[in-house]
Amino acid sequence: AQSVAQPEDQVNVAEGNPLTVKCTYSVSGNPYLFWYVQYPNRGLQFLLKYITGDNLVKGSYGFEAEFNKSQTSFHLKKPSALVSDSALYFCAVRGNPGNTPLVFGKGTRLSVIA
Amino acid sequence: EPEVTQTPSHQVTQMGQEVILRCVPISNHLYFYWYRQILGQKVEFLVSFYNNEISEKSEIFDDQFSVERPDGSNFTLKIRSTKLEDSAMYFCASSAGSSPLHFGNGTRLTVT
Repeated sequence: AQSVAQPEDQVNVAEGNPLTVKCTYSVSGNPYLFWYVQYPNRGLQFLLKYITGDNLVKGSYGFEAEFNKSQTSFHLKKPSALVSDSALYFCAVRGNPGNTPLVFGKGTRLSVIA
Repeated sequence: EPEVTQTPSHQVTQMGQEVILRCVPISNHLYFYWYRQILGQKVEFLVSFYNNEISEKSEIFDDQFSVERPDGSNFTLKIRSTKLEDSAMYFCASSAGSSPLHFGNGTRLTVT
């Protein structure tokens, strides 16, 4: 069975500083990895995905994530945080076949302080 | 950009009552999902639906739950006899296959 771990409930970062939100996964076979963001009272919004290819994936709003197979990690990063990035971030995984349900981590609340 | 739409945005019901949550997936998508989220916590998979039948379901999706695609556009989740612990945000999602899931804004279900 696939699973995702987000070890941090909360990440605080100053505006303009780089941010990292951690994610590790467990799946049999090749993973399909995703990051979603949730703003208050809204649904989950797709940020980026890793299916195959380059380990560094670029997504929306300047976010990127690095796939590391040996460490089974898919950390979300951004070089310079904005106050508007403050939200709840979810890492998710699905195994093969690619239309199996997404399994989400418990979420990490990012707070960017001006 | 096409969106998944869910109605109502908020549903209040009494324990033991039936509720139907409605979703209109993106029109060319073939896979449909329901997830729930309790109090801004973990997003939990309930059920997936493809080719007019359930393809997978979680242990949460017991006999009190059912899904239906009554016509070419709607996808509904029915809870037959609601319990207090069914109070949550319910999210519908759709995808074209291995593409990312697109989520609606959710229905907040409050069972009193």
